[in-house]
Amino acid sequence: RKEVEQDPGPFNVPEGATVAFNCTYSNSASQSFFWYRQDCRKEPKLLMSVYSSGNEDGRFTAQLNRASQYISLLIRDSKLSDSATYLCVVSPYSGGYQKVTFGTGTKLQVIP
Amino acid sequence: ETGVTQTPRHLVMGMTNKKSLKCEQHLGHNAMYWYKQSAKKPLELMFVYSLEERVENNSVPSRFSPECPNSSHLFLHLHTLQPEDSALYLCASSIGTSGTYNEQFFGPGTRLTVL
Repeated sequence: RKEVEQDPGPFNVPEGATVAFNCTYSNSASQSFFWYRQDCRKEPKLLMSVYSSGNEDGRFTAQLNRASQYISLLIRDSKLSDSATYLCVVSPYSGGYQKVTFGTGTKLQVIP
Repeated sequence: ETGVTQTPRHLVMGMTNKKSLKCEQHLGHNAMYWYKQSAKKPLELMFVYSLEERVENNSVPSRFSPECPNSSHLFLHLHTLQPEDSALYLCASSIGTSGTYNEQFFGPGTRLTVL
């Protein structure tokens, strides 16, 4: 089983739709979780950290389910500018330097 | 300048060349990272430096040699590379202290082509 698994997609959704991605991780001792977005031929950029209680930032909501070992990202009211690859990132550490593991990413294409 | 910068942005080199990639962070962070991103593969962590000390070396071939002269600068020295080393090389930094989530911030990357 891969350390971090994501559905590669692509997810093609119309503008205004709600879309959700899941990411499963194999290490039950994982402590830190993040979602990054990566635009084509650009560097990954932090979208949001994922907290145990779940967290929201505008149209984006992240959830953590430790029992089932997955994190999720929900995007409401999709915009064309949301088109990107979304990377799930998991670390066994809660602080210090981070030896993180990246998923392969889920590609989202928002269509007009 | 702010954030994490990398030079050069593009590099084409032959297998016998020696070149270096440079990364600089202006965020006051203590940890710096080198990643390799190949097509259709997840980012692969290569090296981690914390407070200028190498703390992780993920079985990277010796033709890649990192150097961290201070907490703001990180280099990746390249020599006798192979065509399969062609990839996007990303540098990142994080605060690197305990008690925080330590999100990583990436530079724009160097797109390397080995002929």
